[in-house]
Amino acid sequence: DTGVSQDPRHKITKRGQNVTFRCDPISEHNRLYWYRQTLGQGPEFLTYFQNEAQLEKSRLLSDRFSAERPKGSFSTLEIQRTEQGDSAMYLCASSPSDNTGELFFGEGSRLTVL
Amino acid sequence: KQEVTQIPAALSVPEGENLVLNCSFTDSAIYNLQWFRQDPGKGLTSLLLIQSSQREQTSGRLNASLDKSSGRSTLYIAASQPGDSATYLCAANSNSGYALNFGKGTSLLVTP
Repeated sequence: DTGVSQDPRHKITKRGQNVTFRCDPISEHNRLYWYRQTLGQGPEFLTYFQNEAQLEKSRLLSDRFSAERPKGSFSTLEIQRTEQGDSAMYLCASSPSDNTGELFFGEGSRLTVL
Repeated sequence: KQEVTQIPAALSVPEGENLVLNCSFTDSAIYNLQWFRQDPGKGLTSLLLIQSSQREQTSGRLNASLDKSSGRSTLYIAASQPGDSATYLCAANSNSGYALNFGKGTSLLVTP
């Protein structure tokens, strides 16, 4: 199966530490999205890449958050100086270039900040 | 920004019933609308995608409709089964942005 892959699936860290999540999109999908989801809520949009270009960022993406997609393939989301409020599920999705806009999600990376 | 609302927040039905989940959105300049299923602690599984030029889509026991003028979509599940128990999420974007905006979901429980 060549679905969207995320790593790690679970991360427990202490407040103030940096964490990095990786997303491998479906092969040949040129569009990649990061979302954050907390318990009982729908996913909230964080950022969008088309190939290697970051075209949209949410106001939710504070200065402590940075996302990259250096070669237009995999992407990383780094959170610096983690806070307890960063505890959430971080979801990655990819979409093909056929303009349907259909998103395919990975299983997510769950972050717990102690 | 496209605001999405889902009603009801939770629903419990006996096995075999047909049911309807509701979704409303604020921007009629919709690009597409997508319904997802999410099991506890898992990612999202795409169920149906409706393009702005379409009125409905069907997949098996699922049928989704789109009414842009009223800002509404419905997901119809026929002959519900316990395996349908999950959270169903509606998401829509608009022509003015790339983000797909989600509702909070409807938590469905189908009892045997």
